[in-house]
Amino acid sequence: AQSVAQPEDQVNVAEGNPLTVKCTYSVSGNPYLFWYVQYPNRGLQFLLKYITGDNLVKGSYGFEAEFNKSQTSFHLKKPSALVSDSALYFCAVRDGAGSARQLTFGSGTQLTVLP
Amino acid sequence: DGGITQSPKYLFRKEGQNVTLSCEQNLNHDAMYWYRQDPGQGLRLIYYSQIVNDFQKGDIAEGYSVSREKKESFPLTVTSAQKNPTAFYLCASTRSFPGQGGTGELFFGEGSRLTVL
Repeated sequence: AQSVAQPEDQVNVAEGNPLTVKCTYSVSGNPYLFWYVQYPNRGLQFLLKYITGDNLVKGSYGFEAEFNKSQTSFHLKKPSALVSDSALYFCAVRDGAGSARQLTFGSGTQLTVLP
Repeated sequence: DGGITQSPKYLFRKEGQNVTLSCEQNLNHDAMYWYRQDPGQGLRLIYYSQIVNDFQKGDIAEGYSVSREKKESFPLTVTSAQKNPTAFYLCASTRSFPGQGGTGELFFGEGSRLTVL
């Protein structure tokens, strides 16, 4: 069985400071990893994905994520946080050889960027 | 613009009533999904469909039903058998999966919030 853990329910950071939202995963095959962002009462928006290749993945809105195979982690990062980055962030994993249903989401991390 | 349209955005239901949530996509995606989102929890899969006229139960299918008569449409009915239906419902689709040349990332609609009175 595959799983995703987002160990922090809430992350607070000051505007202009770097931010990190943590994600660890467990999957039997090669992981396909995703980050999504959700604003209040909206659907999820795709930020970035790791499939293969460079361990540092760049995505939308200045976000990036680092894939670490040995630590089974895929932390989301941004060098300088904006107040508008405040939202709920979800990490998700799919087994590279998996079936249609096998995309597992973490429980989400609420990011608050303080002005 | 291509995308997924969910309606209604907000819906109120009396206990004992069935309600149907609409999901339409013009992305030409084969697979469609319904998720339920509760506060403090991740997304839980209700039903999914890989092709027209075929669908499978997800992790929390009890009290829900779906149909897939057209590629573009995947409506979800919340029946009176669902004991705690108040939640935010999200529809999603994907073009293709690992093994089909794709990566399986999901595209989401804007959601429908159902409240039972």
